[in-house]
Amino acid sequence: DTGVSQDPRHKITKRGQNVTFRCDPISEHNRLYWYRQTLGQGPEFLTYFQNEAQLEKSRLLSDRFSAERPKGSFSTLEIQRTEQGDSAMYLCASSLERLAGGTDTQYFGPGTRLTVL
Amino acid sequence: GQQVMQIPQYQHVQEGEDFTTYCNSSTTLSNIQWYKQRPGGHPVFLIQLVKSGEVKKQKRLTFQFGEAKKNSSLHITATQTTDVGTYFCAGGIYTDKLIFGTGTRLQVFP
Repeated sequence: DTGVSQDPRHKITKRGQNVTFRCDPISEHNRLYWYRQTLGQGPEFLTYFQNEAQLEKSRLLSDRFSAERPKGSFSTLEIQRTEQGDSAMYLCASSLERLAGGTDTQYFGPGTRLTVL
Repeated sequence: GQQVMQIPQYQHVQEGEDFTTYCNSSTTLSNIQWYKQRPGGHPVFLIQLVKSGEVKKQKRLTFQFGEAKKNSSLHITATQTTDVGTYFCAGGIYTDKLIFGTGTRLQVFP
C-alpha cells in the first residue's frame, strides 16, 4: 500500500448532475477525512469518519453533500444537484490514531478535481 | 469562527536567501502541523508541534510553536529551488479536525 488513493482524479459535469468520488485510505488507518480546496486557499474541513462512524460534519457541508464509509475502509463523497460553486479540489486524508495532546498526522490523497459547467 | 491566518501570502526569494512564514490563530491550539503542497500536488505532512514554545528542526527547516500556543513559524535557511511550493500551517483545536491556514506560496529564483 503506497498511500491514499482517490478516484477519479478529474471530473467534469454539468450543473444539476450528481457526482460521486471515492477514497481508499492507507489500509491500517481507522480515520478518514474529506476536505475541499479552492484555488489559492487552504483545505477546508468537510467531514471525518472513525471506522464507519461519521463523527463530525462541517457547516460547509450542505444537504446536497453526503459521505459514507460503510465498512470502515473506503469512503464515498456524493454531491447531488451540483452547482458551479462546487467546483474545487476534493481531498481525502487518512490517519491512524491520536497522539497524546496532539492531532493525528493526516496523509492526503492526490485529490479529485471537480469542474461544474 | 476559528481562523488561522498566515503571512505573507506570497514570497519570492533568490536561491540561497532565507524564508520565514508566520501563522496566527484566533484561538489557542492543542497542536500545530505544517504541510507543504507543490504546484499541482496535494498537501504533504512536514511536522507536528505540541508543546508550548517547542522548536523542531529538519535540516534547513526550523519550526516554532509560540508560548501561548496561538502562533507558529517556519523558517527555511538558504532556500533551494526544491523548496518551491505553498506552505500551510494547520491547527488542531482539541478535536480531530485541522483548521488550515491561508498558506504562503514560496517561489525561489535560481
